[in-house]
Amino acid sequence: EVQLAESGGGLVKPGGSLRLSCAASGFTFSSYTMNWVRQAPGKGLEWVSSISSSTSYIYYADSLKGRITISRDPAKNSLYLQMNSLKAEDTAVYYCARENTEPARSWYFDLWGRGTLVTVSS
Amino acid sequence: SSELTQDPAVSVALGQTVSITCQGDSLRTYYANWYQQKPGQAPVLVMYGQNKRPSGIPDRFSGSSSGDTASLTITGAQAEHEADYYCNSRDSSGNHWVFGGGTKLTVL
Repeated sequence: EVQLAESGGGLVKPGGSLRLSCAASGFTFSSYTMNWVRQAPGKGLEWVSSISSSTSYIYYADSLKGRITISRDPAKNSLYLQMNSLKAEDTAVYYCARENTEPARSWYFDLWGRGTLVTVSS
Repeated sequence: SSELTQDPAVSVALGQTVSITCQGDSLRTYYANWYQQKPGQAPVLVMYGQNKRPSGIPDRFSGSSSGDTASLTITGAQAEHEADYYCNSRDSSGNHWVFGGGTKLTVL
């Protein structure tokens, strides 16, 4: 089955760190650009970061740049998000999403995980 | 970066047709995509690219675009279509992504 499964969320104190993981299965993980998207409680979706299949292209949302690092391990079919200096406003469900580009000039998120909840609170 | 604007809430009578719109400068360059999200669930892609539906999405969902505005239309809305709908696209730089604020669709 084609799926993504996030893990690593939890309760962390302000200023703390957390590493999220996303396990991919059922498709050729190494062929796709992958993204993280978050959703604060009761709020809308917010794009966080993307990493290309070759890791040559990495982008971060301006609001998080400098505090997060995206990475991937093709051997483990896994995507990661290292988050540092966490703030209360980082509290959200974090989703990993596969980016598809077929047909040409189309870019979209066609596969999402169920998300993992990060709560930043003292 | 750029922004995408959606109406916060839209309602439709059962069985009627409803359109949800998304406006932003990036849509002059990039196609809008649409996601449906029900409470407690992950978003699901319902429309992408040049008005294409993913496998499994019924043809009562359709899309259109003109200039800086894209629309998602549901023909014959049913109770199961009640959800939050988000548009997104690449931003004007082409390197980042933007989401609309979401539209809460209520089926009356």
